[in-house]
Amino acid sequence: EAGVAQSPRYKIIEKRQSVAFWCNPISGHATLYWYQQILGQGPKLLIQFQNNGVVDDSQLPKDRFSAERLKGVDSTLKIQPAKLEDSAVYLCASKPGSTDTQYFGPGTRLTVL
Amino acid sequence: GNSVTQMEGPVTLSEEAFLTINCTYTATGYPSLFWYVQYPGEGLQLLLKATKADDKGSNKGFEATYRKETTSFHLEKGSVQVSDSAVYFCALSVNTGNQFYFGTGTSLTVIP
Repeated sequence: EAGVAQSPRYKIIEKRQSVAFWCNPISGHATLYWYQQILGQGPKLLIQFQNNGVVDDSQLPKDRFSAERLKGVDSTLKIQPAKLEDSAVYLCASKPGSTDTQYFGPGTRLTVL
Repeated sequence: GNSVTQMEGPVTLSEEAFLTINCTYTATGYPSLFWYVQYPGEGLQLLLKATKADDKGSNKGFEATYRKETTSFHLEKGSVQVSDSAVYFCALSVNTGNQFYFGTGTSLTVIP
């Protein structure tokens, strides 16, 4: 079974630029999560999708972050404009409806200069 | 509210030493508890889990027991290896897995 795929793996941008990350969850997983993991901290949930609907985006900075999962499969997370404090690893995870175990992708490491 | 507190690192051990990483939690309802491991440059991988009180999760020589009376889920391994060097995250889920809360992680380095 293929795992959660993310791209790119690394991205370096300057502040005020835009960036987008892509995630393809495990086939059949209805729930998809985006997390932000700042160096030395645990993952912090940004947004959770159930199929193509948003379940929880209470911690998403909506003035600069957006995410979509149009067909209920893959998802994109965008930051526009980026700030220095957005430097982090962005993790995507997915979960089938029948369990409580999340499966994580390798993450995208973003550096904002 | 829901939260996870785990011991601060970093932890450095010699090969074959005994490992304990403490984790306590606060939760509404009846959470499931998890340990995830993150190797350098990789995403999080599920190490073990327990879904109800007194359950013991185990994998790759690691164990953790869900203790409701002490609200704890400490990770243990009897003899660590260099390959166990990683960051370990304790986590809980509520609402049938739809809400997850992670601890801050504990970095483990095992030296030969």
